[in-house]
Amino acid sequence: NAGVTQTPKFQVLKTGQSMTLQCAQDMNHEYMSWYRQDPGMGLRLIHYSVGAGITDQGEVPNGYNVSRSTTEDFPLRLLSAAPSQTSVYFCASSDPSGTEKGRWHFGDGTRLSIL
Amino acid sequence: GIQVEQSPPDLILQEGANSTLRCNFSDSVNNLQWFHQNPWGQLINLFYIPSGTKQNGRLSATTVATERYSLLYISSSQTTDSGVYFCAVIPGSARQLTFGSGTQLTVLP
Repeated sequence: NAGVTQTPKFQVLKTGQSMTLQCAQDMNHEYMSWYRQDPGMGLRLIHYSVGAGITDQGEVPNGYNVSRSTTEDFPLRLLSAAPSQTSVYFCASSDPSGTEKGRWHFGDGTRLSIL
Repeated sequence: GIQVEQSPPDLILQEGANSTLRCNFSDSVNNLQWFHQNPWGQLINLFYIPSGTKQNGRLSATTVATERYSLLYISSSQTTDSGVYFCAVIPGSARQLTFGSGTQLTVLP
């Protein structure tokens, strides 16, 4: 049971490049989310999903795209990278109705630098 | 949206000391969790505690939902307790966590 797995762990991009951050969970959780963490701050919600085929915007969605074609995977796409998107990105999942109802699990993060 | 305020923002302790971290929130919540972000950046879920009191070893947490606050107690602190402690809540009918800005804890040997 790997939990929430994020790849890559580190990435450097040039301004204007696009890329996809991968997130997979093996706990059959319905809910999944993407957050970004900037220095000295808490985590801010980018996009989230409450089930396969259902996504919605969070607090800071601009410049990012998501899709949820399966329960397990929730990739985050940067469409045209900007220096302001330099951050640490966390993926999280939760089961709203199971034995761990309401408890959120986080991946180890992806550290992204945009030059 | 809901406001989540954590205090103190920074805390420095000697090993063996006790501490209390506070989380205030501005609206009613149906979910509250405490996380520890270790020096490697990993977020560890400490407690799921929308109300009441829970204990896990040297750590315990209490949430008084009617008064909109939660407390995290750390007893006999160790250097491995260092890191940032986050409170995160889910208000009302929302389904996603909103985080506070954290308490940076440093435990000195």
